[in-house]
Parts: sequence; C-alpha cells; structure tokens
Amino acid sequence: GENVEQHPSTLSVQEGDSAVIKCTYSDSASNYFPWYKQELGKRPQLIIDIRSNVGEKKDQRIAVTLNKTAKHFSLHITETQPEDSAVYFCAAIYTGGGNKLTFGTGTQLKVEL
Amino acid sequence: EAGVAQSPRYKIIEKRQSVAFWCNPISGHATLYWYQQILGQGPKLLIQFQNNGVVDDSQLPKDRFSAERLKGVDSTLKIQPAKLEDSAVYLCASSLADEQFFGPGTRLTVL
Repeated sequence: GENVEQHPSTLSVQEGDSAVIKCTYSDSASNYFPWYKQELGKRPQLIIDIRSNVGEKKDQRIAVTLNKTAKHFSLHITETQPEDSAVYFCAAIYTGGGNKLTFGTGTQLKVEL
Repeated sequence: EAGVAQSPRYKIIEKRQSVAFWCNPISGHATLYWYQQILGQGPKLLIQFQNNGVVDDSQLPKDRFSAERLKGVDSTLKIQPAKLEDSAVYLCASSLADEQFFGPGTRLTVL
C-alpha cells in the first residue's frame, strides 16, 4: 500500500517568512496530492491540491510542487501570518483505485510575531 | 451547502463499553469515509463506502469495530467493546469526486 512520509514534524517561522513542508510517497500510481490544514480541535480542510499531470500549482500565498520522478511534493507558504499556525497534512491517492487517501504524519507550523 | 455532520462531538466511556457514532454526509455525495485520528497523527482510513456498499475496510478492526450505511446516506460506526487504545478523534468524510470533505469529528476518550 501507499506510504507517505512528511517532514518536518514541527516548524517555527517568523511572521512574514516562508515555510516549506516536504512529503514523499511510495506508490508511483498515486496521481492526486491534496494538502489539508487542521486547526486545533477542528476538522481538516483542503487548502490546495495537485494532480500528477502538473508540476506546480499556486493559489495566492500557497504553492505546491510535485516531482513525480523523485516521488516527492512540497507545500510552500509565503509571507506567513499568525493565522497560518496549524497542523498541515499532506496526502496521496490513486484516484483510479477507490480514492483511498493516505495521510502524512503532519507538520505543526507555528508563526511567531 | 451544508457540511458533513457528526454526532456526538465528544464521548467518554469506560473500557469494555460500547459506543456508536453517527455521520450525515453532504447531500449527493456517494462516497463516505470513516477515519481514526490518534493524537499527533494523521487520519487513518477505517472504512470506505460507495453508496451503501463497502469499498475498503482493510484497516477496520473487525473484531470490535463495525460500520453500516443503510440506504446509502447516513452512516454509523460502532465500537464494541472499546479499548483504551481506541481513544481518538473519529472523522467522517464524504466526496463526490476526488476532494474529500471532513466533518467536525467525534472525540472519544476511553478510560
């Protein structure tokens, strides 16, 4: 089955700096890679996703890059703000195989003033 | 549109007791998922339904966990009997296509 590794487990940045979270996956058939943000005590919410036919996707301050050859993908947050503080999860899925999401272990991002 | 609804939001039970969780997915979403999220970890899929049929239950501890989705809409997840290690947040999600929408979860504490 799919295995997703995520690094770092904790990340502390100053407000305005950039944050990068990296994930690797094991199943080369995976073709959809969503990123979820989970604030304390709340539900995971999709913030951005990327499909395997695209190398990069950007949405305002958030971008995701995908390297299919190396089987890794990364989340980039620029100009971080205190409200970006949360746990971020990457995930991988093969959409032709039943849509089973495999999550990474999460990154606790703290944006300090 | 209304989101995924779950109840109860919190539950405290003693080990060996039984507990049930309820989920109402987003209207029209054929696929429903139950995840277990242990503190400090990512959600782990327990079971996936497509309409009222099971697609994947490979990680469901079937000796104590059961789930059903009668009529292909609402779903219930049951644990009987509960163990200490079942303490977690149980998340329900639903999808129409690739994106999964999560409910607020039920936080279970087993004492």
